[in-house]
Amino acid sequence: DGGITQSPKYLFRKEGQNVTLSCEQNLNHDAMYWYRQDPGQGLRLIYYSQIVNDFQKGDIAEGYSVSREKKESFPLTVTSAQKNPTAFYLCASSNRQGMQPQHFGDGTRLSIL
Amino acid sequence: GIQVEQSPPDLILQEGANSTLRCNFSDSVNNLQWFHQNPWGQLINLFYIPSGTKQNGRLSATTVATERYSLLYISSSQTTDSGVYFCAVIYGNKLVFGAGTILRVKS
Repeated sequence: DGGITQSPKYLFRKEGQNVTLSCEQNLNHDAMYWYRQDPGQGLRLIYYSQIVNDFQKGDIAEGYSVSREKKESFPLTVTSAQKNPTAFYLCASSNRQGMQPQHFGDGTRLSIL
Repeated sequence: GIQVEQSPPDLILQEGANSTLRCNFSDSVNNLQWFHQNPWGQLINLFYIPSGTKQNGRLSATTVATERYSLLYISSSQTTDSGVYFCAVIYGNKLVFGAGTILRVKS
């Protein structure tokens, strides 16, 4: 079945540690996105990518990094510079940015040890 | 930037009741999506609706783009409808979310 796979479902980070969240899609979508959700709030855009080897910062990019080496993959690294990383992270994709609906993965919950 | 406001913030229904959720946005948008986030965090697409009305079973949505609002109707609610309903507008190249409406359906 086509869809978006995020892994792991749960992740724990130690102080000063970088962690990478995986997002893979087999929908043949061009655009991919990363969002952060804090309790009781809506989603906020971290980074997005319209095409391989290209990505742009969203509204809350500080402390995060991404890469887009393959069309189907868009991993997110939460660096030690992100001082409040505990949140629910959701990855999405769409056929074309802006004018097509976005489809979401099941998310990764990141917590600090 | 654009503001997306959803109302009410919380809603408690008895099973079988109907409800209307509202989404107001402060600027012209390219499109609009409604999502349901279940208790496990999964975000489910409900509607992609730039204007007009769409129906899917017990759910329907209406967007009046010229007046900058959208409505989500839930009829004959069921306990499985519980969760958070988000409105999100496509503004430029971004999807901007409202804060959501928390719906609890009691049996």
